[in-house]
Amino acid sequence: KAGVTQTPRYLIKTRGQQVTLSCSPISGHRSVSWYQQTPGQGLQFLFEYFSETQRNKGNFPGRFSGRQFSNSRSEMNVSTLELGDSALYLCASSPGQGSDEQFFGPGTRLTVL
Amino acid sequence: SQKIEQNSEALNIQEGKTATLTCNYTNYSPAYLQWYRQDPGRGPVFLLLIRENEKEKRKERLKVTFDTTLKQSLFHITASQPADSATYLCAQLYNQGGKLIFGQGTELSVKP
Repeated sequence: KAGVTQTPRYLIKTRGQQVTLSCSPISGHRSVSWYQQTPGQGLQFLFEYFSETQRNKGNFPGRFSGRQFSNSRSEMNVSTLELGDSALYLCASSPGQGSDEQFFGPGTRLTVL
Repeated sequence: SQKIEQNSEALNIQEGKTATLTCNYTNYSPAYLQWYRQDPGRGPVFLLLIRENEKEKRKERLKVTFDTTLKQSLFHITASQPADSATYLCAQLYNQGGKLIFGQGTELSVKP
């Protein structure tokens, strides 16, 4: 089975721009979660989608949004980028039954200049 | 609010020794805890899950304990090897959904 894939792997943007990141989960997995990882804050939960519906949301501003498609692929969008948005953005998938382990992708490294 | 804390940011040990990492939780009682390993520039990889009614779980050289009285989980790597060097994260799944709350991680370095 192919693992979780994320595109692009690296991205450089400037302040004020917007960005869209993509995640393809493991086949058959219905839950996709997004995390932001920075040296200062560690791994922080952004949101989770299950069967195209947002099931959980973290404490991030409305500039961060996401969606899930019928094939379980997910995208997250960050508008009006700020320098502090520079981070590794990780996507994880799971079957979605509760205590499931999560399978993480390699991440997208976003740098905001 | 729910909080997970990993006591040590870094742990240095000699090859062959047992590494012990600590995870403490406050303000709630998780039904289970998960442990992940993360290598630089990569996403975390799931290692073990332990439920509150399980005192101990083992997988090869790895052992996890769960003490609900102390509100603590210990993660042990026996006969450690330089290849075990990585950051280890404990996490709790929040509210049955796909939301993991992570500790800050402990960076383990195993010296030959």
